Amino acid sequence: EIVLTQSPGTLSLSPGERVTLSCRASQSVSRNFFAWYQQKPGQAPRLLIYGVSTRATGIPDRFSGSGSGTDFTLTISRLEPEDTAVYYCQQYGSSPLTFGGGTKVEIK
Amino acid sequence: QTQLVQSGIEVKKPGASVKVSCKASGYTFTSYGLSWVRQAPGQGLVWMGWVTTYNGHTNYAPKFQGRVSMTVDTSTATTYMELRGLRSDDTAVYYCARGKTTHPGAFDLWGQGTLVTVSS
Repeated sequence: EIVLTQSPGTLSLSPGERVTLSCRASQSVSRNFFAWYQQKPGQAPRLLIYGVSTRATGIPDRFSGSGSGTDFTLTISRLEPEDTAVYYCQQYGSSPLTFGGGTKVEIK
Repeated sequence: QTQLVQSGIEVKKPGASVKVSCKASGYTFTSYGLSWVRQAPGQGLVWMGWVTTYNGHTNYAPKFQGRVSMTVDTSTATTYMELRGLRSDDTAVYYCARGKTTHPGAFDLWGQGTLVTVSS
């Protein structure tokens, strides 16, 4: 099973700042089958990025993904108040599919 | 409207079974696989397994193998997840989620979640 470790656990930033979230895999993720989700309290997760860097339908272009192998990054270029949420990384190249533990992003 | 609508809150005793439904609408049901993901209170996401909707083929996470069953009723575009031998640590919100066609493990449509509480 591929273990995904996200860092940091929590981020507190001001609107307009650039946000960088990291996710490290215990083994190489095959076929770049890697995704990021956003989850707000009381809601189901929302797909942001899949295939490492492809934005899902309707996702603003301030969200971008990058990486390969075992190291992946989600960047929010300019933080908006509505971006307050927990962000999860996920690999789906190997079964069982696995998620990271999440990074909480708070607005100062 | 493209959506997944799940069944309501469940309260079960330890050792019992629960069966949660997930009804799809607004798209061709058999063109997309469906997964189940759970989230314990205050915790992260855990993938339980998936079912191929056009033929019922399943792939379960080892953690749940032997205790979970995922089935499909194509006549009603509904997927079911049954979890047996419930324990207190099965208390969680259970989500069904649709996989994209070219990236079947990336979930672009989610149900609203079903809270299952296991308590004596």
